[in-house]
Amino acid sequence: SQQGEEDPQALSIQEGENATMNCSYKTSINNLQWYRQNSGRGLVHLILIRSNEREKHSGRLRVTLDTSKKSSSLLITASRAADTASYFCATDTGRRALTFGSGTRLQVQP
Amino acid sequence: NAGVTQTPKFQVLKTGQSMTLQCAQDMNHEYMSWYRQDPGMGLRLIHYSVGAGITDQGEVPNGYNVSRSTTEDFPLRLLSAAPSQTSVYFCASSYSQESQETQYFGPGTRLLVL
Repeated sequence: SQQGEEDPQALSIQEGENATMNCSYKTSINNLQWYRQNSGRGLVHLILIRSNEREKHSGRLRVTLDTSKKSSSLLITASRAADTASYFCATDTGRRALTFGSGTRLQVQP
Repeated sequence: NAGVTQTPKFQVLKTGQSMTLQCAQDMNHEYMSWYRQDPGMGLRLIHYSVGAGITDQGEVPNGYNVSRSTTEDFPLRLLSAAPSQTSVYFCASSYSQESQETQYFGPGTRLLVL
C-alpha cells in the first residue's frame, strides 16, 4: 500500500478560488515534498517541508505538516487555470528513496 | 544546463523484445532513480543509485536491470518486455545521497508493449 495517500482524488474549482489537498502517510518521515505534474509531463518540485517544521509558504502555496496525525495539506490560493495539474505528495522515510502517493487531479475552470 | 534528459520519448515493443531507456543528467547529482507511473497511480520506484558503481532495488525491480558506470548516466534495461511493463517511465536525480532532497525529473518515456 502507498505510504502517502492524497485526498481528494479529484478536485474541480473556479478560477480565483482556493484549492486544498491533503496527504496522509503511515511511517515517520524526514521530510515531505509536494510535486506538480502537468498532463503528459514530468514532475516538478513545488515545496519541501521538514519533519520539524509545521508550516511553509512559497508564493501562492502554503503547506502544513502535522506529524502527530501523519498528515500534510497543500493550499493553493487564488487559483489560476494554469494550476490545472496533478499534485503528488512524496515522503522521505530515510530509506534512500521517496515514496509517492497516487495524486490529486486539480481542474481549475476559467 | 539541460537538467535530466530521457530518450526515447515513445517506444513500442513486442513481447519478449529487449530495450534500454536512456537517462542522463548534467547537474553532477549523485543520486539517480527510475520510476514507473501507471494510470491512476503514483510513481513506483524501480531502481536507484547513490553514486557511480552503486545501484539498489526499489519497490518494483523485477524485469528491469540498471547500471551506473558514470555519474551522468543511468540506463534502464528491459530484459524481455511484457505487456505488464506498459507504462510511463520517469528518471529523476537529486544532489543528496542520504535524505531525499528535491528530485529533478525527466520528461518521461512512454512505453507500449504489445
